[in-house]
Order: sequence, then C-alpha cells, then structure tokens
Amino acid sequence: EAGVAQSPRYKIIEKRQSVAFWCNPISGHATLYWYQQILGQGPKLLIQFQNNGVVDDSQLPKDRFSAERLKGVDSTLKIQPAKLEDSAVYLCASSLDLMGSRDEQYFGPGTRLTVT
Amino acid sequence: SQKIEQNSEALNIQEGKTATLTCNYTNYSPAYLQWYRQDPGRGPVFLLLIRENEKEKRKERLKVTFDTTLKQSLFHITASQPADSATYLCARGYQKVTFGTGTKLQVIP
Repeated sequence: EAGVAQSPRYKIIEKRQSVAFWCNPISGHATLYWYQQILGQGPKLLIQFQNNGVVDDSQLPKDRFSAERLKGVDSTLKIQPAKLEDSAVYLCASSLDLMGSRDEQYFGPGTRLTVT
Repeated sequence: SQKIEQNSEALNIQEGKTATLTCNYTNYSPAYLQWYRQDPGRGPVFLLLIRENEKEKRKERLKVTFDTTLKQSLFHITASQPADSATYLCARGYQKVTFGTGTKLQVIP
C-alpha cells in the first residue's frame, strides 16, 4: 500500500515570498491533516479536513496560510508571504475514518522549508 | 490549554536494558494517549494508543501505562536494541492530537 506522498521534500525561499506544498493521502482516507513541526518540537496541527470540508483550522495563521483539499483527495498548503519563523517541516497525515470510526494517522515524510 | 510534557530531551541506554520514557499531561485526563516514533527526516509512525480506562497496553517489546492519578503515561521498550534509537513522541487525543516535544532515545551497543 502506498503511503502519504508529499512534495517537494525541501524548499528554500526568501522572506516575503510565497510557497506551496502538496500532499496526496493514502487512497480512500477520509481525513487529512497538515502539521507544522519546528526543530526540537512536536508537530502542531494547522488544519484538518474531513473529505473536502474543514473540521479544525483554529491554529492556522489565516493571514498568511491557506489550504484546500481538492475533491476530497489531494491537498495543498500555501504560505503567502513567508516569514522567517515559518521555517519548519510541514507534515501531512491521513486517516481512514469511515462511517464515523476513528483510525490512526499515517504521516508523510514532510517538506522541510527554510526561509532566509 | 491542554499541555503534554515529555520530561527528558534525551535518554541514553545500554543495549539490552529497558528504556522508560515519561509523558505528563495537565488539566483533565485525555480520553486517549498515543505514542509515536520519529526517525530523522521522516514523519512520525504510530506505535500504541491507550485509553483512559486502560491501565496498560502491550505490543511486542513495547508497553504503555496510563496513570490518571499521576497524570502520567510511561512508555517502556524492553530488551532495547540500537535499532530502537529514535525520537519518541507522546500525544494526547485521537482525532485532534496535541504532541509533546519528544524524547530522543539512543541505545548504545
């Protein structure tokens, strides 16, 4: 079974530039998550989708971050404009969660963003 | 806010010994506590979940306990091996998960 795919794996941009990350969850998984992991810290949830609807985006800095999940499958996370403190690994995860069940999350390898 | 704290940033242990990692939480007991393993350059991998009404959970060489009185979970790896070297993350919740900062375990041959 293919895992969660993310691209790019690495990205270096200058502050005030824009960047986008892509995630392809495991086939059939209803729930998709985006996390931010700053070096030395645990992942922090940014946004959670159930199919193509947003379940939780309370920790998403909406003035600069946006995310969408196309047709309930792939998802993109965008930062515009980037700040130095956005340097982190951005992790995508998915879980099956059919018929209201709650299942474990599977994480992708992440995208390491460096803002200079 | 619901915090989750992992006491040790790093833990070194001799191969063959039991590694014990600690996770403490604040405020009310979460319905679930989870443990993940994270290797450098990779996303976390789910290991074990324990529910509030469970005292202990085992999976092969792994054991997790949940003490609602102490507001603490302990994660044990018995007969540790160098391949167990990684960062271990504790997390509260199940759907909306709050992670701790992790403990880096180094198993020395």
